[in-house]
Amino acid sequence: DGGITQSPKYLFRKEGQNVTLSCEQNLNHDAMYWYRQDPGQGLRLIYYSQIVNDFQKGDIAEGYSVSREKKESFPLTVTSAQKNPTAFYLCASSIPGGAGYEQYFGPGTRLTVT
Amino acid sequence: GQNIDQPTEMTATEGAIVQINCTYQTSGFNGLFWYQQHAGEAPTFLSYNVLDGLEEKGRFSSFLSRSKGYSYLLLKELQMKDSASYLCAVRDRGNTDKLIFGTGTRLQVFP
Repeated sequence: DGGITQSPKYLFRKEGQNVTLSCEQNLNHDAMYWYRQDPGQGLRLIYYSQIVNDFQKGDIAEGYSVSREKKESFPLTVTSAQKNPTAFYLCASSIPGGAGYEQYFGPGTRLTVT
Repeated sequence: GQNIDQPTEMTATEGAIVQINCTYQTSGFNGLFWYQQHAGEAPTFLSYNVLDGLEEKGRFSSFLSRSKGYSYLLLKELQMKDSASYLCAVRDRGNTDKLIFGTGTRLQVFP
């Protein structure tokens, strides 16, 4: 069964700690994305990657880092430099360059930092 | 700048028809997507428009007017399970597949 998995579903951390959110896909998609969703706001793009070993900053990359060493995996690290890390984080993937190809989303990770 | 506007909330009755509007002002345009998102869950793809006109898919239809920067999602024969947020997203022109999302419209369906 093809899809995107994110783990864990809920994550709790203390302020000042870095935390890594996992995202794995077996859809054979080249492009992967990380979004952040806050209450009453739309999805905002943090980072995206169109191919292995390459990634680009999105609109709100400050305080986050990513890696793309394997096609299937695109982990996101929320660093202590991120001022308001508590949010719902969504990972997505797609076939790049396809005009009508939609992004498929994982189930999300809700991160709470206290 | 990039701007996508949708109503924040809408309510409707089971069995009725509801239209959710989306207007956009973006530097480029390479298609418009509608997603459905139930609370605490992942968005799921509903429809895609890149040319002007209406796309119909079962109870859901989506319309696009590129000259007006306008789209709507039409939901017919509403069911309780249609209570969700509906996200409008514009794909930017260029060699990336970046999507710009609106804030979403929260639809509540009442019996």
